[in-house]
Amino acid sequence: AVQLTQSPSSLSASVGDRVTITCRASQDIGSTLAWYQQKPGKAPKLLIHEATSLESGVPSRFTGSGSWTDFTLTISSLQPEDFATYYCQQFSGDSLTFGGGTKVEIK
Amino acid sequence: QVHLVESGGGVVQPGRSLRLSCAASGFSYSSYAMHWVRQAPGKGLEWVAFISYDGINKFYADSVKGRFTLSRDNSKNTLSLQMNSLRAEDTAVYYCARELLRGGAFDVWGQGTMVTVSS
Repeated sequence: AVQLTQSPSSLSASVGDRVTITCRASQDIGSTLAWYQQKPGKAPKLLIHEATSLESGVPSRFTGSGSWTDFTLTISSLQPEDFATYYCQQFSGDSLTFGGGTKVEIK
Repeated sequence: QVHLVESGGGVVQPGRSLRLSCAASGFSYSSYAMHWVRQAPGKGLEWVAFISYDGINKFYADSVKGRFTLSRDNSKNTLSLQMNSLRAEDTAVYYCARELLRGGAFDVWGQGTMVTVSS
């Protein structure tokens, strides 16, 4: 099964900062990668699918990039409502896996 | 409005069974593949199982294969997860999720139902 490694596992940032989260796949997954945001006690929310496509209703400060094995989620200017945990997820083949998550905390 | 509502969670002893349900509304349920995803307390997300829109194809995570069975009733807009031989490590919040029509990612999630396996 494809393994996804997210980094960092946590980070501290201030409102207005540019934040970058990376996700590395253990093998080539093309562009079959999604990003989610999860707040405590809530279900995950889809942000990005197919590596770069912004889900409807998601603010444009969220950007996904990458392909094959290396992917990035960028938040261009962190807002108070963006403090949350972020997960990448791959969907190639007959199994799906999530990355370990990146917790974005207030500095 | 598009909704997924899970039910059936609770406390169960190791080795026993539990059946989770997910009721869908506000969309053409029979057109969508569906999944279950779980999250152990304080941990990350783990994909559990997939069922195709017509119920023909099913895939399971290795951790539940042979113990969990996924089914759907498109006439009732419901999804069910039969969980047998439960283990302590199955303790988690279980979410049902809708897969995008273009594939792979989950655009609609339920609120989750908690399953606790403990003696």
